[in-house]
Amino acid sequence: EPEVTQTPSHQVTQMGQEVILRCVPISNHLYFYWYRQILGQKVEFLVSFYNNEISEKSEIFDDQFSVERPDGSNFTLKIRSTKLEDSAMYFCASSEGTSGQNIQYFGAGTRLSVL
Amino acid sequence: AQKVTQAQTEISVVEKEDVTLDCVYETRDTTYYLFWYKQPPSGELVFLIRRNSFDEQNEISGRYSWNFQKSTSSFNFTITASQVVDSAVYFCALSEGYTGANSKLTFGKGITLSVRP
Repeated sequence: EPEVTQTPSHQVTQMGQEVILRCVPISNHLYFYWYRQILGQKVEFLVSFYNNEISEKSEIFDDQFSVERPDGSNFTLKIRSTKLEDSAMYFCASSEGTSGQNIQYFGAGTRLSVL
Repeated sequence: AQKVTQAQTEISVVEKEDVTLDCVYETRDTTYYLFWYKQPPSGELVFLIRRNSFDEQNEISGRYSWNFQKSTSSFNFTITASQVVDSAVYFCALSEGYTGANSKLTFGKGITLSVRP
């Protein structure tokens, strides 16, 4: 069964460092998403991406965040200068994009720890 | 603005009991989608069910069933004959709008379900 894969599963970084979280969405999906979940809290939307551009973003997704689809398979989230409060589980998701279909399938997540 | 409320925070049941997880949503749109996701201890988010705003028919799928009532803006989820493997955090989520087919999900805070043997 096709699945969304995320790497790494756990990333530890120092405050102020740049990190890139990687995702391989399901191959025939057209919409891609990043969400985050701070420990013990609810899942929060960060950004959606379609046709090589951001289609929607939340207030959380400020200038320190960026997304990219560098090739035909990967979808990345970059945090330019990490802060302690960026520590969270980051989930990538994808959906088919066909009319009326919106089942977003999630990856297993990347746990980001900012020290 | 869209909002999802899961008033229950933790539920503990004994195996084989039925359990209902409550979800209340707020939206101004007439077209929207409702979802339930499961997050087991391993951490991934697993899709369970989806409903659109035009289809209030309630269904049963195996041990899962759901009750969608637009009049009360509720989308409750029931697990029949619960099993230990059902222990997880359950999230209700909503997407809305003209691009509702693929717009962002707004999640509730989640309900931690513990099923004891």
